[in-house]
Amino acid sequence: EDQVTQSPEALRLQEGESSSLNCSYTVSGLRGLFWYRQDPGKGPEFLFTLYSAGEEKEKERLKATLTKKESFLHITAPKPEDSATYLCAVLGTGYALNFGKGTSLLVTP
Amino acid sequence: DTEVTQTPKHLVMGMTNKKSLKCEQHMGHRAMYWYKQKAKKPPELMFVYSYEKLSINESVPSRFSPECPNSSLLNLHLHALQPEDSALYLCASSQTNNEQFFGPGTRLTVL
Repeated sequence: EDQVTQSPEALRLQEGESSSLNCSYTVSGLRGLFWYRQDPGKGPEFLFTLYSAGEEKEKERLKATLTKKESFLHITAPKPEDSATYLCAVLGTGYALNFGKGTSLLVTP
Repeated sequence: DTEVTQTPKHLVMGMTNKKSLKCEQHMGHRAMYWYKQKAKKPPELMFVYSYEKLSINESVPSRFSPECPNSSLLNLHLHALQPEDSALYLCASSQTNNEQFFGPGTRLTVL
């Protein structure tokens, strides 16, 4: 059975303090690993898709990387507007995205 | 355009009411999804439509009835809901096997 575990559950950073979020996964036949950002009461916003180990994607202050067992979302010099819940999900052999429980990020000025 | 729209934004209904949630996308995606999300939990898949045919029903109670009138529209008909069905209902779409794009959601409250 596909499993996705995200850590930490919550992270508090000072503005400008870089850090990484972790997503560990087990899946039979990975067809994609996805990162989303979700603000309270809103739908998840797509950030990145990673397909194979060694792949990296960047967008502004965010960089996602993938190995055979985990993915990292690196946040460089975060700003308060980066505060959100970050969700990791994997797509295996079915249609269903298997989500982790998310990391709640708070960036303080 | 990577936009999925959902109406209404908020819905309050009694346990005897019948209501519908609507979702629309114009990205040419052939797969559309309904998810349910409770507070501080990840989204849970309810239904998947692929090429306008229901392909997955994740053991959802019959008081939730999905409908896909065409490739751009997805409805979720609600009847005789329970208070525990109160949640954020999310619609998503994708090209098959690719990233899913989510709508803003409908916040449903069942009294």
